[in-house]
Amino acid sequence: GIQVEQSPPDLILQEGANSTLRCNFSDSVNNLQWFHQNPWGQLINLFYIPSGTKQNGRLSATTVATERYSLLYISSSQTTDSGVYFCAVPNFGNEKLTFGTGTRLTIIP
Amino acid sequence: NAGVMQNPRHLVRRRGQEARLRCSPMKGHSHVYWYRQLPEEGLKFMVYLQKENIIDESGMPKERFSAEFPKEGPSILRIQQVVRGDSAAYFCASSPPGTVSGNTIYFGEGSWLTVV
Repeated sequence: GIQVEQSPPDLILQEGANSTLRCNFSDSVNNLQWFHQNPWGQLINLFYIPSGTKQNGRLSATTVATERYSLLYISSSQTTDSGVYFCAVPNFGNEKLTFGTGTRLTIIP
Repeated sequence: NAGVMQNPRHLVRRRGQEARLRCSPMKGHSHVYWYRQLPEEGLKFMVYLQKENIIDESGMPKERFSAEFPKEGPSILRIQQVVRGDSAAYFCASSPPGTVSGNTIYFGEGSWLTVV
């Protein structure tokens, strides 16, 4: 099956800093999702992004499908951005999502 | 329109007991998925169901675990004779008919099972 790797595994930043999280995948995909799991465990959809760039407030995401990676940008980090960020891709031809290992982001006030 | 509803949110069971987790999909959704998240890990696919049918259970452990999605009522994930290794967060997701490759899958808030 498809492999999904995320980097870095952990990231600690001061409030106000910017960050870039990376997601690499091993096979062609026709979609990719980014999720934020907050410290209370809730899983929040951030982006559906098969290709190109999308922006939502301080967050943006870019997927370069031909090179099999996606980037999540967080600008002007806030403490509420803390948590684990996952990317996930569907297995081709079906609806199972394969999740990456996650990036744990800690924003220090 | 309520989202995917899971209950209970937290469940504590002693080793050997049974755990039942429920999931009500979003209105109009006929596809349900269960994922498991072990501590400090990502989510892993367990099973994909449509009404009264198991479509893909390739991620389900071979023993003690079962899932159903009856014609009426919520989807149930059942774990018999729980062991400490079953302690995890169990997430349910749903999607409408005709979903292609995951682009309209919505997740619930999870059920946290602790086995003592």
